[in-house]
Amino acid sequence: RKEVEQDPGPFNVPEGATVAFNCTYSNSASQSFFWYRQDCRKEPKLLMSVYSSGNEDGRFTAQLNRASQYISLLIRDSKLSDSATYLCVVLMNTGFQKLVFGTGTRLLVSP
Amino acid sequence: EAQVTQNPRYLITVTGKKLTVTCSQNMNHEYMSWYRQDPGLGLRQIYYSMNVEVTDKGDVPEGYKVSRKEKRNFPLILESPSPNQTSLYFCASTEAQGDTGELFFGEGSRLTVL
Repeated sequence: RKEVEQDPGPFNVPEGATVAFNCTYSNSASQSFFWYRQDCRKEPKLLMSVYSSGNEDGRFTAQLNRASQYISLLIRDSKLSDSATYLCVVLMNTGFQKLVFGTGTRLLVSP
Repeated sequence: EAQVTQNPRYLITVTGKKLTVTCSQNMNHEYMSWYRQDPGLGLRQIYYSMNVEVTDKGDVPEGYKVSRKEKRNFPLILESPSPNQTSLYFCASTEAQGDTGELFFGEGSRLTVL
């Protein structure tokens, strides 16, 4: 089983739609969780951290479910510029701390 | 401007010809790391460094070497490149892993080994 798993997509949605991605992680001792965004052929960039209580940043909402070991990212009112790959990242403690990246979920927003 | 700079951005080389990909950061970060990204496999860590003269293997270190003689620089060395090292490489840095998940990435180096 992969340490961090994501549905690769692509998710094809029209502008204005709401879309949600999930990510599951294997290590219950994982400490911190993040969503990164990666545009085609570009470097990943931090989109937002994921807090236990859930957090929102504009149209983006991230949630954590420790019991089920998954995190989610909700994007409301999708824009064309949201088209990208979204990487789930987990800080795991396996004797030492290690950031583990999911393979990413691709989102395509169309006019 | 705070940044991580990698060079070269694009390189085509032949099997066995030693090459170095340089990485430099201007944020005084302690932690630096190299990743490779391949379709369907995501980002995999090659080597990382917690500070000057402190380096350690990541998940896929075979065929690579690194050094950390100065805080700002973390070059990736391929002593004898092979075609299976054809990939997109990213260097990244952060103040200290564990304090924050925010890694700052370079723009990437696309390497092709023929």
